[in-house]
Amino acid sequence: EPEVTQTPSHQVTQMGQEVILRCVPISNHLYFYWYRQILGQKVEFLVSFYNNEISEKSEIFDDQFSVERPDGSNFTLKIRSTKLEDSAMYFCASTGPSITGELFFGEGSRLTVL
Amino acid sequence: SQQGEEDPQALSIQEGENATMNCSYKTSINNLQWYRQNSGRGLVHLILIRSNEREKHSGRLRVTLDTSKKSSSLLITASRAADTASYFCAPLPLSNFGNEKLTFGTGTRLTIIP
Repeated sequence: EPEVTQTPSHQVTQMGQEVILRCVPISNHLYFYWYRQILGQKVEFLVSFYNNEISEKSEIFDDQFSVERPDGSNFTLKIRSTKLEDSAMYFCASTGPSITGELFFGEGSRLTVL
Repeated sequence: SQQGEEDPQALSIQEGENATMNCSYKTSINNLQWYRQNSGRGLVHLILIRSNEREKHSGRLRVTLDTSKKSSSLLITASRAADTASYFCAPLPLSNFGNEKLTFGTGTRLTIIP
């Protein structure tokens, strides 16, 4: 069964460093998302991406964050200068071409900022 | 977008019993989806019910939808230890299709006691 894959599964970084989290969505999907979950809290929307541009972003997704789909298969989330509060699980999800909105999530990348 | 509000926040039952979780939402929807999250893992789509449907079954899952009350329920019959997880409802708003983001609440934490 097709699945969304994410790498790395766990990354430890120093505050102020740049981090890139990678995702390979399901191949025929058209809509891509990043969510994050701080330990013990709810899953929060960060950004949605469609047709090679951001569709919507949350207040969390400030100038330190960026996304791109560089090669038609990978979908990346970059955090330019990490802060302690960026420590969280980051989930990639994809959907489409169906309009039902059913999301397929990856297993997540755990980011620990020291 | 809108999030669903799940109730109860936590539920503990004996293995073999049925578990019922409820969801309320605020605005008109295209469909409503239920997801499961095992601790530290990605969300997994369980079942989707369209706004013109009142009940849907999938294996041991039964979902109901009452659009007049803006509420849904998820019933898991003959529970198993492996059903221990957090469960989230996610309403897909009527105003958008396809790339609308799903927003998640705090969920119902279900614990099955062996």
